[in-house]
Amino acid sequence: AQSVAQPEDQVNVAEGNPLTVKCTYSVSGNPYLFWYVQYPNRGLQFLLKYITGDNLVKGSYGFEAEFNKSQTSFHLKKPSALVSDSALYFCAVRGSGNTGKLIFGQGTTLQVKP
Amino acid sequence: EAQVTQNPRYLITVTGKKLTVTCSQNMNHEYMSWYRQDPGLGLRQIYYSMNVEVTDKGDVPEGYKVSRKEKRNFPLILESPSPNQTSLYFCASSSQLAPNNEQFFGPGTRLTVL
Repeated sequence: AQSVAQPEDQVNVAEGNPLTVKCTYSVSGNPYLFWYVQYPNRGLQFLLKYITGDNLVKGSYGFEAEFNKSQTSFHLKKPSALVSDSALYFCAVRGSGNTGKLIFGQGTTLQVKP
Repeated sequence: EAQVTQNPRYLITVTGKKLTVTCSQNMNHEYMSWYRQDPGLGLRQIYYSMNVEVTDKGDVPEGYKVSRKEKRNFPLILESPSPNQTSLYFCASSSQLAPNNEQFFGPGTRLTVL
């Protein structure tokens, strides 16, 4: 069965420090991977995606993600965290078949402290 | 501005009272979908629609109905809401049912069923 796991409910980091939000996946075939961010009382906003090609994907707001096929991981990273990055982050993988479904992880709350 | 809108944003209702949550997109997207977000579970797909008059069940369709009479609108109907449908609901759309197309999400509707 296809699945996505985000092993950390919350990640705390000091402003200016690098951040990593972890994601691992389980799919059959080639994975199509996404990161979304949810700010309080807002919908999900697309950050970046991996379809094929370079393992390091750059996205919005200075975020990037590293695809690692052997470890089935797609960790979200940022070199220098901002307080405004504090939000709920979701990793997702495109489901197989023709449903267009995104399979989401349970979400990781990122807390960046000044 | 390209967007997905949902109404209402917040709703408190009682068991058994029929309700409709509207979703509209102005991007001429063929594909639309409904998800519910519950703590610790991420987002799960309720129903999806490939195009006008084409709808199908997602992972958690019980207790819900949808319709797609127009391309821009995809309402979610709860004929007889129950407390276990208390959740945060998101509508999403994308231009084509292709793996590399990210989905655009509405702002969410927080539903409480008493």
